[in-house]
Formats: sequence, C-alpha cells, structure tokens
Amino acid sequence: KAGVTQTPRYLIKTRGQQVTLSCSPISGHRSVSWYQQTPGQGLQFLFEYFSETQRNKGNFPGRFSGRQFSNSRSEMNVSTLELGDSALYLCASSPRRLQSDTEAFFGQGTRLTVV
Amino acid sequence: SQQGEEDPQALSIQEGENATMNCSYKTSINNLQWYRQNSGRGLVHLILIRSNEREKHSGRLRVTLDTSKKSSSLLITASRAADTASYFCATDAGGQNFVFGPGTRLSVLP
Repeated sequence: KAGVTQTPRYLIKTRGQQVTLSCSPISGHRSVSWYQQTPGQGLQFLFEYFSETQRNKGNFPGRFSGRQFSNSRSEMNVSTLELGDSALYLCASSPRRLQSDTEAFFGQGTRLTVV
Repeated sequence: SQQGEEDPQALSIQEGENATMNCSYKTSINNLQWYRQNSGRGLVHLILIRSNEREKHSGRLRVTLDTSKKSSSLLITASRAADTASYFCATDAGGQNFVFGPGTRLSVLP
C-alpha cells in the first residue's frame, strides 16, 4: 500500500506570492490533517479535512486555507506569503476522523522557503 | 500553549545504552501517542497508550503513563545509531486534534 504522498518536496517562493501544496492520503483514508513545523514553534495543527469538509482548524490566519476532493486528496494554499511561513508542512492521513486514539500516517513533508 | 512538553530537549547517549524521554501535559487526557521523526522527514507512529493503561511495550520501546502526575515516559532499550531522531508525544486537548509537544532530539553515538 502506498504511503502518504506530498508534492512538491521542496519549494522556494518570494514574499507576497501564493503557494499550493498537495497531499495524497493512503488509499481508503478519508481524513487529511495539515501541520506546520518550524524550529521555533514546533508542530502546529493547521486544519483537518474529512469527507471534503473542514472539521477542525488551528490558530492560523485566513491566508492559510485548504480543501479536500472527493478522492480524499487535499490541497493547502497559503496566500501573500511572509518570511515566517518558511517551514516544513506535513500532512497526515487516517482512515477515520483524527482523534487521540487514531494513528496518523504522515507524508515526508514539503519544505517551503520564502525569500 | 502546547499540551505536551517533552524533556529533555536533547539527549546524547552511546550505542547500547538506554534512552528515556519524558512527556508532561497540563489537562486530563484520554490517550497519548509517541511519534518519531528522522531529520526533516515525516513522523512515524510508535505507540499509543490509553489513560486506563499504565505501561505498554513494543519491541525495544517501553511507554509508561502516570495520570496522577500527568506524565508519560518513553524508554528505548539497547539504543542503536538508527534510533537517532526527534521524539514527540501527542495528546488530546479538550476534544481537539491531538497536540504535539516540542520534542526530544535523541543522538545515539556509535
């Protein structure tokens, strides 16, 4: 079974631009969650999508948005990029809603650098 | 604020030694998970322990949970160079998605 696939792996963008990251979950998994990881803030939850609906959202500005398609693939968009958005963005999939008793399967991440 | 806080922040040991990492949390939990992350890569699930469990084993891993002290520990026995990674605990926080602590960076020296 293929794992969680994130594309692209690396990305360099300029301040003010926007970016779209993609996550393909494990086949059969319906939940996709996104995390931002930085040295200073650690792993911070962005949002969770389940059955094409955003179910939970972290404390991030509206510049961060996402969506999920009918095949459970998810995209995350960041508009008007700031230097502080430089981070490793991780997505995680699970067969059901991500709860504390659910194992999350992570992708390798997308390393975004904003210059 | 993060629900789980691991300590130490960093740990260096020699191959063959045991490594112990701790996770403390602030409010009551239902479950606690441990994950490993190799440098700059995705996280890998190690073990889940429920609030009514005190100890769980998985291979060279031993996890304990003390709900009275609001803490958990992860013990890796007979460590190997391949165990070099960051280790995170994740707990539930008021029904929200589980929240990760800042992690412990483990270096196992050959």
